[in-house]
Amino acid sequence: SAVISQKPSRDICQRGTSLTIQCQVDSQVTMMFWYRQQPGQSLTLIATANQGSEATYESGFVIDKFPISRPNLTFSTLTVSNMSPEDSSIYLCSVESGTGGDIQYFGAGTRLSVL
Amino acid sequence: GENVEQHPSTLSVQEGDSAVIKCTYSDSASNYFPWYKQELGKRPQLIIDIRSNVGEKKDQRIAVTLNKTAKHFSLHITETQPEDSAVYFCAASKSNAGKSTFGDGTTLTVKP
Repeated sequence: SAVISQKPSRDICQRGTSLTIQCQVDSQVTMMFWYRQQPGQSLTLIATANQGSEATYESGFVIDKFPISRPNLTFSTLTVSNMSPEDSSIYLCSVESGTGGDIQYFGAGTRLSVL
Repeated sequence: GENVEQHPSTLSVQEGDSAVIKCTYSDSASNYFPWYKQELGKRPQLIIDIRSNVGEKKDQRIAVTLNKTAKHFSLHITETQPEDSAVYFCAASKSNAGKSTFGDGTTLTVKP
């Protein structure tokens, strides 16, 4: 299994500002994932963060809006830039672990409200 | 890319009854199918999974079945309890290939 610490757990931000979310894992993992979950909805993958290379973004998400860092095998950050109320959501980081390397473990999430 | 459809979106059962949630996937190369439970305000947590070389897997009151030919898999919960009330997500992925594609979720309510 993997234990993930994510912070902050929640924040209220002003329009036009940026917020950086941190994700720390208790073991080395190849891939870390960042998801967005809007209220009452499913998980939408924003990007996959690999150590030593640029993140891979899903359709509809761009690096300028959601820059990601992955400085080592246990840590990643996601920045939500130039925020608008539409960015209000829960952001979750996730890693794969387990026998087949494909069981996903999630952080507790960051509940972001943009005013 | 992979597309996962999940239904029903909401399900209400009486305590002690069974609940069944179904998912279909589109990519025949997918070979790993987990189910996650997300309680209100909490993170999703894996409750059971199945790989494509197995047709059924059971863990106490929870079971998952997989039909590779039809590309669908189902979650079965027997003897439901109020604490089973949560949102359940199915997902599909290729092992060691990274990202999972999630269904839209099913809100299960178990009435005492």
